[in-house]
Amino acid sequence: AQSVSQHNHHVILSEAASLELGCNYSYGGTVNLFWYVQYPGQHLQLLLKYFSGDPLVKGIKGFEAEFIKSKFSFNLRKPSVQWSDTAEYFCAVNGKAAGNKLTFGGGTRVLVKP
Amino acid sequence: IAGITQAPTSQILAAGRRMTLRCTQDMRHNAMYWYRQDLGLGLRLIHYSNTAGTTGKGEVPDGYSVSRANTDDFPLTLASAVPSQTSVYFCASSAGATAFYNEQFFGPGTRLTVL
Repeated sequence: AQSVSQHNHHVILSEAASLELGCNYSYGGTVNLFWYVQYPGQHLQLLLKYFSGDPLVKGIKGFEAEFIKSKFSFNLRKPSVQWSDTAEYFCAVNGKAAGNKLTFGGGTRVLVKP
Repeated sequence: IAGITQAPTSQILAAGRRMTLRCTQDMRHNAMYWYRQDLGLGLRLIHYSNTAGTTGKGEVPDGYSVSRANTDDFPLTLASAVPSQTSVYFCASSAGATAFYNEQFFGPGTRLTVL
């Protein structure tokens, strides 16, 4: 079975600070990895995804994530956050044997203070 | 293009009542999914459908049923609602039937409260 763990439930930081959200997954085979974002009152939107190739993935709005296979990790980063980055962030994994079923982490709520 | 629409936006329901949450996509995606979102638990898969005419159970299927009569619609039914089904429900779709290399697109959600 696949599982996802997000270490931080809540993060509060000021504008221009750097952001890093941890994500570890449990699955022994080939995986696809995703970060989704949910802005207040909105539905989930894809930030970035890793299918194969370069383990450093760049997404929208200046976000990036690095897949470290040996650590089963897919941490999300942004060098300088803005107030508009206030949202909940979800890491998700799709193991190849699981077919099309995504498993989500519990989410991290990020509050960026102006 | 609307993408995925869900109805109703929100609903308050008495325990024991039957409720169907509607989901329609206009992207001609093969696969569709229902998730529930609960604080601290992220999204959990309830049921899915790889293609019209087929459905499968996800992580938390008990108390829910689905049907997939055509490509566009994927309704979720609570036969007899219980308070533990209070949640936000998201419908999603992806292009491929196996969808390993396809991302999922999400609808706006339905907020359901069961009293």
